[in-house]
Amino acid sequence: DTAVSQTPKYLVTQMGNDKSIKCEQNLGHDTMYWYKQDSKKFLKIMFSYNNKELIINETVPNRFSPKSPDKAHLNLHINSLELGDSAVYFCASSNSGGFNQPQHFGDGTRLSIL
Amino acid sequence: AQSVTQLGSHVSVSEGALVLLRCNYSSSVPPYLFWYVQYPNQGLQLLLKYTSAATLVKGINGFEAEFKKSETSFHLTKPSAHMSDAAEYFCAVSVTGGGNKLTFGTGTQLKVEL
Repeated sequence: DTAVSQTPKYLVTQMGNDKSIKCEQNLGHDTMYWYKQDSKKFLKIMFSYNNKELIINETVPNRFSPKSPDKAHLNLHINSLELGDSAVYFCASSNSGGFNQPQHFGDGTRLSIL
Repeated sequence: AQSVTQLGSHVSVSEGALVLLRCNYSSSVPPYLFWYVQYPNQGLQLLLKYTSAATLVKGINGFEAEFKKSETSFHLTKPSAHMSDAAEYFCAVSVTGGGNKLTFGTGTQLKVEL
């Protein structure tokens, strides 16, 4: 069973469209994250939720809106897609029992904006 | 704010040779340090983590890393490279009070040659 699963795996769309990426984890973790990996493989955190509450928001444009319906799910909705949004988006999860808790990553969603 | 620097964006070794991937960190408080590996078209997988229990940390696939506070380093090593080790390696840091946010280095692409 996949621990952290993201859908879709690939997303190709036009500039200006709105799209969503879904993430689910079956590890029983209470904290989930979204990271963006750019074309140079640089990884940067976007958001983090703990028990459905937003705890990290790293100066991401308002066009990006995360939603956590429960602690096993964290979705990412993106409005008015721009060329610069092309990247790989990774979902991750961990326990919140300390800052040494390892994060478990999904396989990523490859977003391409035409 | 904490940060990590990975020296060498590309490292090439022969199969059977020593692997050494360098990571230096910067943090005003005691850090938690991690090494992750990313295989093509996959998410990140935890190799090992340092959480202050022991300075020499052993991880999966024969990798280990040593925390050296005096040098602010956490270099990753493996005595004998295997073809299957070819991947992108990321060093990351988190600190208490940082919301369990991982700050990643820019990654090192390891190539293993016959």
